Amino acid sequence: DSGVTQTPKHLITATGQRVTLRCSPRSGDLSVYWYQQSLDQGLQFLIQYYNGEERAKGNILERFSAQQFPDLHSELNLSSLELGDSALYFCASSVGNWVYTFGSGTRLTVV
Amino acid sequence: DQQVKQNSPSLSVQEGRISILNCDYTNSMFDYFLWYKKYPAEGPTFLISISSIKDKNEDGRFTVFLNKSAKHLSLHIVPSQPGDSAVYFCAASAVASGAGSYQLTFGKGTKLSVIP
Repeated sequence: DSGVTQTPKHLITATGQRVTLRCSPRSGDLSVYWYQQSLDQGLQFLIQYYNGEERAKGNILERFSAQQFPDLHSELNLSSLELGDSALYFCASSVGNWVYTFGSGTRLTVV
Repeated sequence: DQQVKQNSPSLSVQEGRISILNCDYTNSMFDYFLWYKKYPAEGPTFLISISSIKDKNEDGRFTVFLNKSAKHLSLHIVPSQPGDSAVYFCAASAVASGAGSYQLTFGKGTKLSVIP
């Protein structure tokens, strides 16, 4: 157990639907990062939150949004899902440096 | 455009020998580099890092070398063990990317298989 909890582990949904992925960071970590790993791709940075505020944004689609709550857990919302959104979504947390602790990921399959 | 490239998707090495994983980058603003290791069904875990002010960093069996002029870094594992079999991701960051950002740009990974 890395200390970062992601739920659900697997998700199968239809095109056009909306899903929410949840992440609880490691205790004491204020930064939460979301990354997407598509087939044969590296981890693509989506967005970072630090202590409830958006800190950096990557190539995140407008159909995707995220937030970090006062208890520091974070949610990634994916809407109007397309087949190409099928991927592994990783959440990571850090105390405030480049050493991330990753969760085990949520595998999203859009059918 | 891939700013961090790991051109070898896979690598097989005999147990006890040296494993060398390579990584190239194109963004000259990158000044901090890390390697992460990933086992199946798990998230990546931090392995070793190096700042651009150094050309080598060592941690036990793992050594990372950085050649800034060539924009190239490599991870050496000596001796390789079967438990090292995993996917290794190279990652880079620009300190100046923004205060408190610490976002990483990852390569696609190299799958290392250490054969007993």
